[in-house]
Amino acid sequence: AQSVTQPDIHITVSEGASLELRCNYSYGATPYLFWYVQSPGQGLQLLLKYFSGDTLVQGIKGFEAEFKRSQSSFNLRKPSVHWSDAAEYFCAVGPKYGNKLVFGAGTILRVKS
Amino acid sequence: EAGVAQSPRYKIIEKRQSVAFWCNPISGHATLYWYQQILGQGPKLLIQFQNNGVVDDSQLPKDRFSAERLKGVDSTLKIQPAKLEDSAVYLCASSQSTGLETQYFGPGTRLLVL
Repeated sequence: AQSVTQPDIHITVSEGASLELRCNYSYGATPYLFWYVQSPGQGLQLLLKYFSGDTLVQGIKGFEAEFKRSQSSFNLRKPSVHWSDAAEYFCAVGPKYGNKLVFGAGTILRVKS
Repeated sequence: EAGVAQSPRYKIIEKRQSVAFWCNPISGHATLYWYQQILGQGPKLLIQFQNNGVVDDSQLPKDRFSAERLKGVDSTLKIQPAKLEDSAVYLCASSQSTGLETQYFGPGTRLLVL
């Protein structure tokens, strides 16, 4: 069965510092991978997605993620964090057809000034 | 364009009562999803509609949960009777179709069952 693991429940970084959020997946077929962000009281917003091709994916708000098949990972990165990036981040995996997403438990990002 | 609308935003009920949530997807989106997000967990798909037909309801507790999308546009999710463990945020999402389409999420309805 497919699953997504986000090992870090909470991460705190200083404003301006770099960020990496980890995501590991278990999936029987070719995975289609997503990162969503959820700000308090709001729905989820898609940051980026990987379907095929270049394993380094660029998203909105300066985020990028790298797909590493050998490590079953899809880590999210940002070179310089802004206070407005404080939110909860979810990694998700889905099939090519059907669009049934399986989400990880999320990582809460805190940004200190 | 307008996003996914949900109401109410918050609801507090006692166990064994019934409750209903409403969702209006983005105009023209054929696929609608209901997710349950329990505190500390990621969203879990409850049911997926394609137009007014059910595509996947394998994780919907059918003894107490029901959902409908009669005209292929807006949808309601009902819980009857509610249990304490139903306390969660209920998210509605929509996409243009099934497949690799981006899902757009509403703000959610936060349910507390006492």
